[in-house]
Amino acid sequence: ETGVTQTPRHLVMGMTNKKSLKCEQHLGHNAMYWYKQSAKKPLELMFVYNFKEQTENNSVPSRFSPECPNSSHLFLHLHTLQPEDSALYLCASSQEKGTPLEAFFGQGTRLTVV
Amino acid sequence: AQTVTQSQPEMSVQEAETVTLSCTYDTSESDYYLFWYKQPPSRQMILVIRQEAYKQQNATENRFSVNFQKAAKSFSLKISDSQLGDAAMYFCAYRSGGGSEKLVFGKGTKLTVNP
Repeated sequence: ETGVTQTPRHLVMGMTNKKSLKCEQHLGHNAMYWYKQSAKKPLELMFVYNFKEQTENNSVPSRFSPECPNSSHLFLHLHTLQPEDSALYLCASSQEKGTPLEAFFGQGTRLTVV
Repeated sequence: AQTVTQSQPEMSVQEAETVTLSCTYDTSESDYYLFWYKQPPSRQMILVIRQEAYKQQNATENRFSVNFQKAAKSFSLKISDSQLGDAAMYFCAYRSGGGSEKLVFGKGTKLTVNP
C-alpha cells in the first residue's frame, strides 16, 4: 500500500456510457498524475496537476476529462470511449519539488471498453 | 524531450543469482533524477531505488544497486541474490530536476526468476 488509492479496480463500460475514475492520496503531495498503460507500450503520461492546476495535457482526446478539486483528489471522467481506450489507468502523486521526488502509484483501474 | 530506453524486453535469472537490467536515457539537462520501479502482477508500481544525478555515488537498497554512468547516460539495475518475489516488470524512469513534475518511463523489462 503506497498511500494512493484508486477506485474502481475494474471497470467495464460500453462506448456510450459515462463513468469516472477516482484517485485519492493523503501523502501531502501537491502533484497528481494520470497515466495510461497499454500492453507492449511505455506508460503514457496523460495529465499532470500541480496545486490543482493542470500543468500537462499530453494531447489526450477530449473524451477523457480530468478534474482535480483539491490536492488530494483526482478524477478522470470518461465518455464515448473507444475499444482502443481499454487499458490500465494509473494514478500517481509526488512532491511538487524538493526531495524525495519519486511518484507513488495507486493500483490502477483496469478499464475495458466494449 | 527526454527519452528513456530499456533494450531488454525480457530477462530471466536463477534464484539466488545476480541479474542486471539496462537503461539508457537521453537528456540535455544536468540536474535530474532517475528511478527504477517494479510492477508485480498485482499491478501496483513500487519504487525500488532512486538516484540523484548530482550524486556520484551509486545508490543501493539492500539487494538492489545501480550503476550510474552520467557521461554515458546509463543507469542499470543490479539485483543480487534474486528471489522469486523479484519477478515483475521493471521500469526505468527519468524526472527533470528543474521543477517539472513530468516522469518519463521506459518500456519496461519483464524479469522472470526461475527456482
